[in-house]
Amino acid sequence: AQTVTQSQPEMSVQEAETVTLSCTYDTSESDYYLFWYKQPPSRQMILVIRQEAYKQQNATENRFSVNFQKAAKSFSLKISDSQLGDAAMYFCAYRSASGGGATNKLIFGTGTLLAVQP
Amino acid sequence: ETGVTQSPTHLIKTRGQQVTLRCSSQSGHNTVSWYQQALGQGPQFIFQYYREEENGRGNFPPRFSGLQFPNYSSELNVNALELDDSALYLCASSTPTLTGANVLTFGAGSRLTVL
Repeated sequence: AQTVTQSQPEMSVQEAETVTLSCTYDTSESDYYLFWYKQPPSRQMILVIRQEAYKQQNATENRFSVNFQKAAKSFSLKISDSQLGDAAMYFCAYRSASGGGATNKLIFGTGTLLAVQP
Repeated sequence: ETGVTQSPTHLIKTRGQQVTLRCSSQSGHNTVSWYQQALGQGPQFIFQYYREEENGRGNFPPRFSGLQFPNYSSELNVNALELDDSALYLCASSTPTLTGANVLTFGAGSRLTVL
């Protein structure tokens, strides 16, 4: 079974600085997707960034980028130029790319609560 | 386009009761999934519905059941409520693919408290 581990329960960053959130996962599959989701106090999960395992190039979305190390099964999120609105719980998630079945089954980590200091 | 809407936003039940939570999927999305998020934890997959049938289930007992309607909206039913059922229940919708390439859109959840 696949597992996702986030070892940082809480992190803090100064506004305009850079912070990196860690995530490791375990799987025997070779094809899968990895995600970072943000959950603000409003509770709605918002997709931050997505990485396909077959792509060697790290995904980027504006101020958000990932460091995907497939051999090490590591998937960290870097937030540059942090803003007050980035404060939220961040979840790392895994999804199998195998065909059929529950294609919407995400396996989540326990989350990292990010505080942004003004 | 409208997003995913869930109702009710909060509710309180007592142990042994039954509860129904509702979800309207995003326009154009015909696959719906439900997740349970206990306090301080990540969401856990309950099940998924496509074309009004359950086509994937997580490690949850049969007292967790669901429905999907022709308009793609969905219900989550929980019978014989237990204290550990207290959680945020999230609904997510997407268009179907044979792989995991589709992007899920989540609702804001229904917060269930079981006393």
